[in-house]
Amino acid sequence: GAGVSQSPRYKVAKRGQDVALRCDPISGHVSLFWYQQALGQGPEFLTYFQNEAQLDKSGLPSDRFFAERPEGSVSTLKIQRTQQEDSAVYLCASSDYEKLFFGSGTQLSVL
Amino acid sequence: DAKTTQPTSMDCAEGRAANLPCNHSTISGNEYVYWYRQIHSQGPQYIIHGLKNNETNEMASLIITEDRKSSTLILPHATLRDTAVYYCIVRKNAGGTSYGKLTFGQGTILTVHP
Repeated sequence: GAGVSQSPRYKVAKRGQDVALRCDPISGHVSLFWYQQALGQGPEFLTYFQNEAQLDKSGLPSDRFFAERPEGSVSTLKIQRTQQEDSAVYLCASSDYEKLFFGSGTQLSVL
Repeated sequence: DAKTTQPTSMDCAEGRAANLPCNHSTISGNEYVYWYRQIHSQGPQYIIHGLKNNETNEMASLIITEDRKSSTLILPHATLRDTAVYYCIVRKNAGGTSYGKLTFGQGTILTVHP
């Protein structure tokens, strides 16, 4: 079956621009996670949704980062006024409670 | 979640077994040992997990010591496509107050040579 799909695959933004990253989870998965992965590092947790409820946003680095999942399926991670330090791969994962299934990520480059 | 310690890098010859160690001395009784790997430019991929018994699937075997303070992931016949970063993670499964977040460390870079 289809896995976790993320779009766009690559995004180049000028500093100060807003960006929106999309995640389509595996159908029926209640849990959805966002991670940020800097070059050469392991993924770092950003936020977690259970259906449409955002239960943990402790990993969001600043109030410029905002995530939503309004209908409990597709999720969007929005970054306002992007900065160079936001350059990273953003990974989405959905879970069947036992395992997390990751998408291929969106590579964001802020110039 | 308990912290894990892994070697930074390892090498393996193609066709030989790759044995990747992991220490998790502070693991709790309700925490599982999970292994994921990440091939270049892809998201992490689930390999295997276990609680206290040894586990085997089509990808690998997981050996957990009796005291659960360490484990070894075994790839029985490594191929060039197994070159990746391997993450050992201790995790509580979802349920109750836990939602099963994975906390990644630096992992082990496994390089399989021809």
